[in-house]
Amino acid sequence: NAGVTQTPKFQVLKTGQSMTLQCAQDMNHEYMSWYRQDPGMGLRLIHYSVGAGITDQGEVPNGYNVSRSTTEDFPLRLLSAAPSQTSVYFCASNRVGTGGETQYFGPGTRLLVL
Amino acid sequence: GESVGLHLPTLSVQEGDNSIINCAYSNSASDYFIWYKQESGKGPQFIIDIRSNMDKRQGQRVTVLLNKTVKHLSLQIAATQPGDSAVYFCAEKDRTGGFKTIFGAGTRLFVKA
Repeated sequence: NAGVTQTPKFQVLKTGQSMTLQCAQDMNHEYMSWYRQDPGMGLRLIHYSVGAGITDQGEVPNGYNVSRSTTEDFPLRLLSAAPSQTSVYFCASNRVGTGGETQYFGPGTRLLVL
Repeated sequence: GESVGLHLPTLSVQEGDNSIINCAYSNSASDYFIWYKQESGKGPQFIIDIRSNMDKRQGQRVTVLLNKTVKHLSLQIAATQPGDSAVYFCAEKDRTGGFKTIFGAGTRLFVKA
């Protein structure tokens, strides 16, 4: 299994540009989530999904959209990039049920918004 | 409000010594706790977890202790090795409260050879 994969690894955007961060998992996990990690801070939840066709907002959803058309994929869209969205973005997945709370994280996408 | 924090932002230990990384949490409803290790340039990696009905759990070279009375969590690493150098995060979850997992800011562990 490849686990959780993310693309791209690095991205530079200009203010106002839009882009999509890709995330895929091959573990057939029901749950997927997006976090951002800023220096000196813990991971903060942006959006999550408990299954295909179902998404919900996390702590810091503003400026981001998600969709979950398949179990495997969970893309994160930045609608109009702002410098405040400069961060490292992590996608994670986990399965449902007892013992399934452990989240598996991807390698991250480092985003710089100028 | 809810928070998960760490007492020490950095910890430096000698190779071979034991390491103890501490964490405080404030949500008394949290019933599941996880430690993650994050190496430079990588995503967090699960180390060990513990449920609130336990006060100690051991893994390979790692032990997690939970003190619900004072809302304190610790990660003990035995015989610390250079490969243990990383940032360690504690996280808490109220499994009856939905999806949300709260992460602490992290402690950086330096292992001196």
